[in-house]
Amino acid sequence: GAGVSQTPSNKVTEKGKYVELRCDPISGHTALYWYRQSLGQGPEFLIYFQGTGAADDSGLPNDRFFAVRPEGSVSTLKIQRTERGDSAVYLCASSSPPVSTQYFGPGTRLTVL
Amino acid sequence: DQQVKQNSPSLSVQEGRISILNCDYTNSMFDYFLWYKKYPAEGPTFLISISSIKDKNEDGRFTVFLNKSAKHLSLHIVPSQPGDSAVYFCAVLSQGGSEKLVFGKGTKLTVNP
Repeated sequence: GAGVSQTPSNKVTEKGKYVELRCDPISGHTALYWYRQSLGQGPEFLIYFQGTGAADDSGLPNDRFFAVRPEGSVSTLKIQRTERGDSAVYLCASSSPPVSTQYFGPGTRLTVL
Repeated sequence: DQQVKQNSPSLSVQEGRISILNCDYTNSMFDYFLWYKKYPAEGPTFLISISSIKDKNEDGRFTVFLNKSAKHLSLHIVPSQPGDSAVYFCAVLSQGGSEKLVFGKGTKLTVNP
């Protein structure tokens, strides 16, 4: 079956602009996660959804970052007033609890100029 | 303060030999551990996992060993193949309601023909 998909694959924007990154999880997976990976680092947790609600948003770095999952499937990560330090690969994963294995999408590479 | 440490940034082995990747963690409450493999420009791919109630899990050429007293786990690949060349991430499941993964920084494995 289809895996996790993410769009766009690459996004280049200018400092101060607003961006939206989309994640389409594996069909039937109720849990959805966003991670961010900077060069030379492992993925770092941002936010976790169980169904439509954000069960844990403790990894969001500040209030410029926001994510939604209105119908419990597709999720959008929104970044306002982008900064150069936001440049990274943004990864989405999904899982089907109680199984803990998370399956990742290919990521969106965000570059803020 | 890193909760998951992969102290070897890189490892090079000959095709057909064993590859051993190591990972240390700090919190004895972690109880589910995973290894992911990542190729360039792709998302992490789940490889193998182990629960803290076991000390070994095997899947084909891949075996994960868990030493809870030492808070150490390792991934053995035997025999190593050139297609195994990738970055390997150790991850632990941080529970307490979140189900978020905490990753190490990764080890780049190169298998030489």
